[in-house]
Amino acid sequence: DTGVSQDPRHKITKRGQNVTFRCDPISEHNRLYWYRQTLGQGPEFLTYFQNEAQLEKSRLLSDRFSAERPKGSFSTLEIQRTEQGDSAMYLCASSTGQVRGYTFGSGTRLTVV
Amino acid sequence: AQSVAQPEDQVNVAEGNPLTVKCTYSVSGNPYLFWYVQYPNRGLQFLLKYITGDNLVKGSYGFEAEFNKSQTSFHLKKPSALVSDSALYFCAVSSTDSWGKFQFGAGTQVVVTP
Repeated sequence: DTGVSQDPRHKITKRGQNVTFRCDPISEHNRLYWYRQTLGQGPEFLTYFQNEAQLEKSRLLSDRFSAERPKGSFSTLEIQRTEQGDSAMYLCASSTGQVRGYTFGSGTRLTVV
Repeated sequence: AQSVAQPEDQVNVAEGNPLTVKCTYSVSGNPYLFWYVQYPNRGLQFLLKYITGDNLVKGSYGFEAEFNKSQTSFHLKKPSALVSDSALYFCAVSSTDSWGKFQFGAGTQVVVTP
């Protein structure tokens, strides 16, 4: 068990470019969550998968954001036409079920310049 | 709807003194309560959780928290703080009604001075 892996750790991109992040959950975890954390704030829920099904999306997830989990294993989060306000830490977590809590990855820090 | 309040942006304590970080919550359904710690440029590290059972929960690194249903609180405590406890602490709530989705508080910065 290597924990939840996120790639890349850091990403610097120019405004208007597209970026994609990857999350590899713990292998036996069927639930996968994405959160966004801006500086000085607590993480905010973005979206949630159970296996390959995306079951909930926050209104924070604008049309420029899309997430997939095609085979119920790894997940990707894509941001199109990035804006400076997208600069944040993007955290992934996985779980077997809510009462067991989560395991968080180390996050991908996005800086839009 | 669920919400979490951490009323203190920062808590300052001298090494060796007791540390308390406050958290109150609001949920529909039964609450599941968690504390996480975050060091600079790192992810979230699990400290402890309350799901059911004893109101006093013991967790990692000597931390404990007490679930108080009537006051809807889940304060984090440590009897004797260490300088290495200096970090950002987050309280989080989920519930039987929320699909396992967490609502996090805004965080409390703990500063332990030697």
